[in-house]
Amino acid sequence: DAKTTQPPSMDCAEGRAANLPCNHSTISGNEYVYWYRQIHSQGPQYIIHGLKNNETNEMASLIITEDRKSSTLILPHATLRDTAVYYCIVRVAWGGSYIPTFGRGTSLIVHP
Amino acid sequence: SQTIHQWPATLVQPVGSPLSLECTVEGTSNPNLYWYRQAAGRGLQLLFYSVGIGQISSEVPQNLSASRPQDRQFILSSKKLLLSDSGFYLCAWSPPTSGATYEQYFGPGTRLTVT
Repeated sequence: DAKTTQPPSMDCAEGRAANLPCNHSTISGNEYVYWYRQIHSQGPQYIIHGLKNNETNEMASLIITEDRKSSTLILPHATLRDTAVYYCIVRVAWGGSYIPTFGRGTSLIVHP
Repeated sequence: SQTIHQWPATLVQPVGSPLSLECTVEGTSNPNLYWYRQAAGRGLQLLFYSVGIGQISSEVPQNLSASRPQDRQFILSSKKLLLSDSGFYLCAWSPPTSGATYEQYFGPGTRLTVT
């Protein structure tokens, strides 16, 4: 099972920042937080990942709290094409290797 | 650059028929390969995982099987499909298990309908 908790849905106005929260209170010290998104009928797309420092790339920013028990994915200027399901995951042990496990995610709807 | 291919894109099969879905990766060597299934309105369920040729791991018992005959080829099969096998099947790859991070890259998926 996924070890993260996300709100099932959120909405955001086009052009505004979308802030997607994720709780991972049982995260261990060497586990990374990953974010993916899945646009309808497509495969998930990797967005960003981090360990404890905040990260930024061309798609988004990732803010991780100091205690690492939660994080926030920020889309600074949301567009209609950002409407998707966003998954926050941490590495989980499986068969001796670390495999990301996907939960239900947050369905983000960006409206005009 | 790396690319991942899956085919077919859509498939309609009768109950009891066999299944073969193929996934290939280009532009990388010794990738980790994955098969996921996503039922309608549900999250992604990991089915199989492979770290190398002939090495397949699965935690979920089912009537599906996977094979990796070549380094960058991953095949999902079934001898007899069930109605519950319907879903969106996704293949993914990640860099070899040598670093600390495991970002995954997904293929376009195969939508399977079992009738």
